[in-house]
Amino acid sequence: DVKVTQSSRYLVKRTGEKVFLECVQDMDHENMFWYRQDPGLGLRLIYFSYDVKMKEKGDIPEGYSVSREKKERFSLILESASTNQTSMYLCASKDYGYTFGSGTRLTVV
Amino acid sequence: GQQLNQSPQSMFIQEGEDVSMNCTSSSIFNTWLWYKQDPGEGPVLLIALYKAGELTSNGRLTAQFGITRKDSFLNISASIPSDVGIYFCAGPFPLSGNTPLVFGKGTRLSVIA
Repeated sequence: DVKVTQSSRYLVKRTGEKVFLECVQDMDHENMFWYRQDPGLGLRLIYFSYDVKMKEKGDIPEGYSVSREKKERFSLILESASTNQTSMYLCASKDYGYTFGSGTRLTVV
Repeated sequence: GQQLNQSPQSMFIQEGEDVSMNCTSSSIFNTWLWYKQDPGEGPVLLIALYKAGELTSNGRLTAQFGITRKDSFLNISASIPSDVGIYFCAGPFPLSGNTPLVFGKGTRLSVIA
C-alpha cells in the first residue's frame, strides 16, 4: 500500500514564526497536494505539484509556499505564521487514486 | 473555485438505520469519488464512479453517478458505530488535463448505539 507520511501530528507555533510541514510518499508518485481542512469548509487546495521543482497554486495559496526538491517529498511553508492559519493540514499523493496522510493539526498562538 | 454542495451537513442516526447523503454541482463532472474520514485521520476512498448512471456498491455502501453528471448519492445500509466520521464527495475539476480534486464540505455522521 502507498504510504503518505506527515512528519508531525500536532504542532504549536507562535505568530510570525516560519513553519515547515513535511510530507513524504513512498511510491514514486509524481503528483502531490496540500489541502487544509476547516470545520464547515471541507478540504481546500493550497498548492500542488506534478513533478520535482514544479508547483501550482490551488484555491487558497496566500500566505503559503511549497518546495519539491525530491520526488518523494513535498513541503508546505508558512513564511510568517498567523492565527488564521490554525488548521488541519492534509497532504496527498496521487497515481491512479489519491492517498492522504494522517494530517498535521497546526495551532498558531 | 468550483464548489460541490453536500447535504446534509450532519446526521444523527440510530444504529441499524439506513443513511442517504448527496452531492451536487453547478458543473458537469466526469468522475465522482466518495471518501470517509475517521476522527484524527486523513480521508480514505470508499467508492469511485466514472460513468453517468453508474451504480456501484462496496459492502453496505452504494453510490450512484447522477444522469445529469451534476450530482451523486451515497447510501449506507444498516449503519453500525464504526460508520461514524465525515463523508466527502470529490471530483477532478476542471475536466481536462491532470487536475486536482475539489471536495464538498462533508457530511458528519454520528451513530447512536
